[in-house]
Amino acid sequence: GEDVEQSLFLSVREGDSSVINCTYTDSSSTYLYWYKQEPGAGLQLLTYIFSNMDMKQDQRLTVLLNKKDKHLSLRIADTQTGDSAIYFCAESKRAGRRALTFGSGTRLQVQP
Amino acid sequence: EADIYQTPRYLVIGTGKKITLECSQTMGHDKMYWYQQDPGMELHLIHYSYGVNSTEKGDLSSESTVSRIRTEHFPLTLESARPSHTSQYLCASSVATGTSGRETQYFGPGTRLLVL
Repeated sequence: GEDVEQSLFLSVREGDSSVINCTYTDSSSTYLYWYKQEPGAGLQLLTYIFSNMDMKQDQRLTVLLNKKDKHLSLRIADTQTGDSAIYFCAESKRAGRRALTFGSGTRLQVQP
Repeated sequence: EADIYQTPRYLVIGTGKKITLECSQTMGHDKMYWYQQDPGMELHLIHYSYGVNSTEKGDLSSESTVSRIRTEHFPLTLESARPSHTSQYLCASSVATGTSGRETQYFGPGTRLLVL
C-alpha cells in the first residue's frame, strides 16, 4: 500500500475553514510537511512539523499531528479563493535513501 | 524564496526527438531530485542525486537519464521521446538543516512536456 495517503478532493466556501487530512504508515518519520501547488507551478513549502510535536500554528495555518494514529491534518482558517490549489503532505525519515515521500495530493476548491 | 530554475517551461516535440530538460539551483544544495507528475496529480520520484557524480533511480522506472557533473546542474535527458513521456517534470533540491536532519525540498516551476 501507499506510504502516505490523502483524500483527492475538498470543496469549501470562501470564509469557511478547510481541513485537509493525511495518513502515513512509517512510525520512523521525523518531519512531516505540507506543500502547496498552484496551477502550472512547482510545489511551495507551506509548513512542517517535527514528529515530537502535536500542533503547530502559523497565521491561518494549523497543523495537527496524531502520532499514535499516524494522522496529520492541515487546517486553513478563513479560506480564500487564492487558497485553491493542490496540497501535498510529505514525510521524511530518520535515515533513508531519499528525503521525502509524498502523498497523492488533495485538490482544494474554494467557492466564492 | 528558493532559487531553482527549470527550462524550458513548456515543450512540444515530435516522437523520436532527443530532449534535455534543464534544472539549476544557486543554493549550493547537494541533493537534487526529478519528479514526474501525471495528470492525476501524484508525484513520482524518477531520479535523485546526493552530490556530484552521484545519481540514483527513483521509485518510478523511467527511460530518462540524468547527470550531475556540477553541483548546481541536474539535467534530465530523453534519448527518444514518445507520447507516453508526456507529463510534467518537477526538479527539486534540498539540504539538511539542524542536527535533527530536517530537510526541506525546494521545487522549480516545472517543465510541461507534450510529445506528439
